[in-house]
Amino acid sequence: EPEVTQTPSHQVTQMGQEVILRCVPISNHLYFYWYRQILGQKVEFLVSFYNNEISEKSEIFDDQFSVERPDGSNFTLKIRSTKLEDSAMYFCASGKELYNEQFFGPGTRLTVL
Amino acid sequence: GQQLNQSPQSMFIQEGEDVSMNCTSSSIFNTWLWYKQEPGEGPVLLIALYKAGELTSNGRLTAQFGITRKDSFLNISASIPSDVGIYFCAGVPNTGNQFYFGTGTSLTVIP
Repeated sequence: EPEVTQTPSHQVTQMGQEVILRCVPISNHLYFYWYRQILGQKVEFLVSFYNNEISEKSEIFDDQFSVERPDGSNFTLKIRSTKLEDSAMYFCASGKELYNEQFFGPGTRLTVL
Repeated sequence: GQQLNQSPQSMFIQEGEDVSMNCTSSSIFNTWLWYKQEPGEGPVLLIALYKAGELTSNGRLTAQFGITRKDSFLNISASIPSDVGIYFCAGVPNTGNQFYFGTGTSLTVIP
């Protein structure tokens, strides 16, 4: 069964450093998403991506965040200058159609020190 | 943003019991998804609902899209220990263009 994969599983970084979180969505999916989950809280939408551009973003997704699909398989989330409050699990998800089933990856735990 | 309230917040039940939980919003939703999340893992899709009144099953799980389009329900029959986890609803409001997640229901099954 195809799965969404994410690397690394855990990233530790110093405040102010840049991080890039990587995702490989399911191959025949067209819609890609990033979500964040602070420990013990609900999942929060960050951004959706379709046809090589951002289709929607939340208020959390400020100028420090960017997404890219650098090739036909990877989908990345970059945080330019990390803050302590960026510490969270970051989940990538993908789907075949908009506002339809989304399949999540296992997540990357980001710890900002 | 949209608020999706789930109840109950947590449940402690005996193995074999049936479970009911719900998710409510203040506005109309077009799509409801139910996910289960275990510690340290990503949410796993259980059931997707697209039409008001729709009732869909996946094994021992049954979910319904409320006819008011402001709520959804998930039932688990004959619970087993591996049902333990946090159950999240997620939905897209009819005026929106992103998925909102609920606050979660934590389920503990006592063998």
